[in-house]
Amino acid sequence: EIVLTQSPATLSLSPGERASLSCRASQSVGTSLAWYQQKPGQAPRLLIYDASYRATGIPARFSGSGSGTDFTLTISSLEPEDFAVYYCQQCSNLLTFGGGTKVEIK
Amino acid sequence: QVQLQESGPGLVKPSQTLSLTCTVSGDSISRYTYYWSWIRQPAGKGLEWIGHIYSSGSANYNPSLQSRVTISVDTSQNQFSLKLSSVTAADTAVYYCIGGPNRYYFDYWGQGTLVTVSS
Repeated sequence: EIVLTQSPATLSLSPGERASLSCRASQSVGTSLAWYQQKPGQAPRLLIYDASYRATGIPARFSGSGSGTDFTLTISSLEPEDFAVYYCQQCSNLLTFGGGTKVEIK
Repeated sequence: QVQLQESGPGLVKPSQTLSLTCTVSGDSISRYTYYWSWIRQPAGKGLEWIGHIYSSGSANYNPSLQSRVTISVDTSQNQFSLKLSSVTAADTAVYYCIGGPNRYYFDYWGQGTLVTVSS
């Protein structure tokens, strides 16, 4: 099973700041990686697929990069609605999720 | 746009079978060439993929749950369902149903339903 490790566990930032979230895979997943956003009491929402493609309706401030084992989700300038938990997910070998990164207001 | 809604018992006894249904609205389920999936999330924890079924009827399951899981589609009711047998407290979670055209990524989610396994 491919294990995804997300860091940091919590990221404390202010609105307007840039956020960089990391996802590291235990073995190469190519670009078979997605990012999801989850707010309290809500279902996750697909943000990025195939490592760098924004899903329909996702603002341009969200971007994904990386390949192989190291991936990054970047939020260029945090909006108040962006404070949430973010998960990465790989689909190279079965389907597994990372443990999540919480982006909280500083 | 497709909309999904989970339904089923919120409390299941240990060793029994958990049964959930996902009702699809927006169009006939048979008109979507979609993958219909289930994912669960224990309270305060991460996400676990349970399995999916394609419009053709072929299903794939998480190997860790495969011996206990069945996902099926009922086109007459515009629903798909999840059955998980021999449940324990470890199966307590919010269960989400998802639909989408991509086998590997999850586009359209239901709101989720909490299932507690307890006597």
